[in-house]
Amino acid sequence: EVQLVESGGGLVQPGGSLRLSCAASDFTVIANYMSWVRQAPGKGLEWVSIISSGGRTYYADSVKGRFTISSDNSRNTLYLQMNSLRAEDTAVYYCAGDSGSSKFDYWGQGTLVTVSS
Amino acid sequence: SYVLTQPPSVSVAPGQTARITCGGNNIASKTVHWYQQKPGQAPVLVIYYDSDRPSGIPERFSGSNSGNTATLTISRVEAGDEADYYCQVWDSSSDHYVFGTGTKVTVL
Repeated sequence: EVQLVESGGGLVQPGGSLRLSCAASDFTVIANYMSWVRQAPGKGLEWVSIISSGGRTYYADSVKGRFTISSDNSRNTLYLQMNSLRAEDTAVYYCAGDSGSSKFDYWGQGTLVTVSS
Repeated sequence: SYVLTQPPSVSVAPGQTARITCGGNNIASKTVHWYQQKPGQAPVLVIYYDSDRPSGIPERFSGSNSGNTATLTISRVEAGDEADYYCQVWDSSSDHYVFGTGTKVTVL
């Protein structure tokens, strides 16, 4: 059974940094397309970033230049390095796996990031 | 950037049919996927490739895509179908995934 488990969320001050992790089991991170999707409190889903099986990365305009997505083959883990955090980055961050055809087949349970002083 | 518009809410009586629309410019040229999200839970894929159902999703869930509107149809609605529903596409012009604005389905 595929499992995606996020960690690393928490409370951070504006301007601070945080690194999220997503450990995968029964799903090879580097062989698939992996994304981060976030959901602000009471709001809809917002796609944040993707890393392709070939290592290409893309970002939503709202986080470009501040967030970096990466993966570690040896740990089968996806990461999201978040810098220069803003209040509007407050959200539950989901790790999501796309085994092909641009859809999210698998989701983690989410990790909450709160940006506040 | 590509925009997907959904009605904020849809209300339906048990046993009736709920139709949730997803509007986008020439959306028929794209492949649409649909997700169900219940409170406090991660989204779940319920329709992919416009009209296919993942294993485990009831046949009551169906989808279509034509012109500028994609539609998720839930037949014989049950109380357990009460949730938020999101459409999603891949916008190849920007290399971005795009989600719809979301629709809250309330079972009366």
